[in-house]
Parts: sequence; C-alpha cells; structure tokens
Amino acid sequence: GQSLEQPSEVTAVEGAIVQINCTYQTSGFYGLSWYQQHDGGAPTFLSYNALDGLEETGRFSSFLSRSDSYGYLLLQELQMKDSASYFCAVYASGGSYIPTFGRGTSLIVHP
Amino acid sequence: NAGVTQTPKFRILKIGQSMTLQCTQDMNHNYMYWYRQDPGMGLKLIYYSVGAGITDKGEVPNGYNVSRSTTEDFPLRLELAAPSQTSVYFCASMGSTGQPQHFGDGTRLSIL
Repeated sequence: GQSLEQPSEVTAVEGAIVQINCTYQTSGFYGLSWYQQHDGGAPTFLSYNALDGLEETGRFSSFLSRSDSYGYLLLQELQMKDSASYFCAVYASGGSYIPTFGRGTSLIVHP
Repeated sequence: NAGVTQTPKFRILKIGQSMTLQCTQDMNHNYMYWYRQDPGMGLKLIYYSVGAGITDKGEVPNGYNVSRSTTEDFPLRLELAAPSQTSVYFCASMGSTGQPQHFGDGTRLSIL
C-alpha cells in the first residue's frame, strides 16, 4: 500500500513564502499531485510531478525528489485567499490511475 | 462546460433508508471515482471505475455499491444507511494518469 505524511497545519503572514512538505512510502512510485480545498468546497488540482525537480505555475511551485520519497508545495506572495487545505496525492505504478491522498495541511494566512 | 455534476447537494436520511448519489461528467473521461471525506480528514476512496462496465473496490467499500453503464454516469448506492456513513461524498473523473482529477461539488449526507 501507500502512505503519506504531511503537516496538519501551517501558518504564515500575507506576502510571505510557505513550504508544505509531503513524504510518501509506496511500492512503485509513479507521480505526486497537489490539490487545494477551501472550506466546504471541492478539491482543485494544482500540480503533478513525475520527474525530479521543480515545476512552477505562477505563485505556486511543486518539487519532487524520487530518491528521497519527498515532495513539497511552495506558495509565494501569500494572499488571504490562499487559506485552505492542501493535499498531496501519490500515484503508484501498480495502479497509476488510483491516487492515495494524504490527510491534508491546513494553511492559515494572517494579515 | 459542466465538468463533473453531483446531485443532490444535501440530503438527510434515516437509519436503514437507501439512496443513490448521482454523478455525471461531460469530459469523456474513462476514470471515475467516489470518495468520502470526514471532517478534518483526507479523501478515502470508496469505489472507482476505469471505463463503462468496469468497477472495483477502493479503501472503504463496505455499505456501498456502484455501477457504470455509460462513460458519463457513475452512481453510488447506499443500501442500508448507517450513522457511520454521515460524510461529504465527492465524485471525480480523470482522463489519464498525470492529468487533473476533476471533482464535483460534493454531496453532504447526514444519517440520523
């Protein structure tokens, strides 16, 4: 099976940079995704990493190190609207279309 | 461009009642999923489908059933509702691995 670890809560101030880490254990890694979920809303896709390195999309970047079984989501120039839960999800090669989600990190952005 | 549509948005059931949560997508995606999310928790996979006529169990399938007669529709059936099934249910679809999972707005289900 797969397991993921991410912090339960992270706090930061507006304008700052915050990093949300995700470590995973899986038999046969295929890829790592990140999703954002605001209270009461549906998860929305942020990024997908299959290869080592940094992927940048606007203020959000996602990093993967396959050798360390580790990834992170980097949020820059934080805004109040970034307050949400962020989930990492791992895809294993045995079922590469079935993601396993972490428990989520609640990001609280203060003025 | 509707994406993934779930109905109903809210529902209250009595213990022992049955109901079907509807899910339809208009993106011609082969992969579809049902998740439940309890407060403060992540998404737990109930059932998934890789195409019409093919379904399989996820992590927490007990008490639920699904069918996939068409590419577009993936209904979730609760046969004998129990308080432990009080949760928010999300349906999702995906075109292929590495592509985004598209989620519906969720069904908030309470069983009393």
